[in-house]
Amino acid sequence: NAGVTQTPKFQVLKTGQSMTLQCAQDMNHNSMYWYRQDPGMGLRLIYYSASEGTTDKGEVPNGYNVSRLNKREFSLRLESAAPSQTSVYFCASTLQGEQYFGPGTRLTVT
Amino acid sequence: AQSVAQPEDQVNVAEGNPLTVKCTYSVSGNPYLFWYVQYPNRGLQFLLKYITGDNLVKGSYGFEAEFNKSQTSFHLKKPSALVSDSALYFCASSGTYKYIFGTGTRLKVLA
Repeated sequence: NAGVTQTPKFQVLKTGQSMTLQCAQDMNHNSMYWYRQDPGMGLRLIYYSASEGTTDKGEVPNGYNVSRLNKREFSLRLESAAPSQTSVYFCASTLQGEQYFGPGTRLTVT
Repeated sequence: AQSVAQPEDQVNVAEGNPLTVKCTYSVSGNPYLFWYVQYPNRGLQFLLKYITGDNLVKGSYGFEAEFNKSQTSFHLKKPSALVSDSALYFCASSGTYKYIFGTGTRLKVLA
């Protein structure tokens, strides 16, 4: 099993550009999550999907949209990137309370 | 509101000495509490969790955590630290589907 995979690993965007971060899990988990990690702030929840077909806002959803494409895939879209969205983004899936994290995407917006 | 606090940004400990990484929580109802570890340029890895039952929870790599309801704490401990334990540690709590993470504590084990 690959676990949770994320693409791309690194990305540089100019202000105003758009992009989609991809996440997939092969563990048949129902719940999936997107977080951002910033120095001194820990992980903050952007959006989550409790099950296929549902999505809900987390702590910091502004500027982001998500799509739960199927049970395996949960994508995060930045429609118009801003420098404040420079961060490391982690996707996770959950089973029995335990979260399984992907390796992360390091995004820089200039 | 649900919250998790890690009061120490960094903890230094000598190899072979016991280590403690502190966490306090504020949640309504029965808390579900977790510890995760993050090595450089990696995602977080699950260490252990408290759902209910024994206050002392044992996890991966020799780590354990003590749940203390009266002090609303869930401190991570290890009897003898290794240099390879040096990493960033996160405490977290969960409600229905949502997880709240602390700001993280960097553990440095000195040889």
